[in-house]
Amino acid sequence: GAVVSQHPSRVICKSGTSVKIECRSLDFQATTMFWYRQFPKQSLMLMATSNEGSKATYEQGVEKDKFLINHASLTLSTLTVTSAHPEDSSFYICSARGAWGEGGASNYGYTFGSGTRLTVV
Amino acid sequence: QKEVEQNSGPLSVPEGAIASLNCTYSDRVSQSFFWYRQYSGKSPELIMSIYSNGDKEDGRFTAQLNKASQYVSLLIRDSQPSDSATYLCAVNPGGGNKLTFGTGTQLKVEL
Repeated sequence: GAVVSQHPSRVICKSGTSVKIECRSLDFQATTMFWYRQFPKQSLMLMATSNEGSKATYEQGVEKDKFLINHASLTLSTLTVTSAHPEDSSFYICSARGAWGEGGASNYGYTFGSGTRLTVV
Repeated sequence: QKEVEQNSGPLSVPEGAIASLNCTYSDRVSQSFFWYRQYSGKSPELIMSIYSNGDKEDGRFTAQLNKASQYVSLLIRDSQPSDSATYLCAVNPGGGNKLTFGTGTQLKVEL
């Protein structure tokens, strides 16, 4: 099956610093990666969509200069939260989409990473 | 109208019973439908995907899709305490690449 590895699982940082979160597809090529944010007791909110080798597309209301996304290869995407503030504290989750399994596109779905709990103090 | 709507619950069922979770969506062009399970503090894990009208069964889980009524449901047979979680319905509006999630239904399976 498809596996997406996300690191770190938990990070605490000081206000004003930057934090980088990595998301790797381990056994398939992720043509598209999605980054979500989830506040307590709320659903997943899509922040941005990135395709390998091109600029990310951000959802309305998401600051692209604050949440830097890089998708340099088919297996790695990173999200950098720049100048983090306490209101950025949240659960950040990546999701990758690709084709995997024998026969190619027979299982074409979305696989989530394990998430990163960011706390800004 | 929200793009994907779910009853937030909690839905409480006794162990061994059938849990029925419902989801409606607003975009008629949606083509792919997913049910994810999310335990507290964890990321979502895929339970079922369904693309065609009708039922799709996988073990104790059955997904049902009715595109005419814009309705997708998930049935969990022989519910276990370990099934207690939040179940998220996800749809790709406009047949595109992105998923839109409902707010989730909290399921509690009681002993």
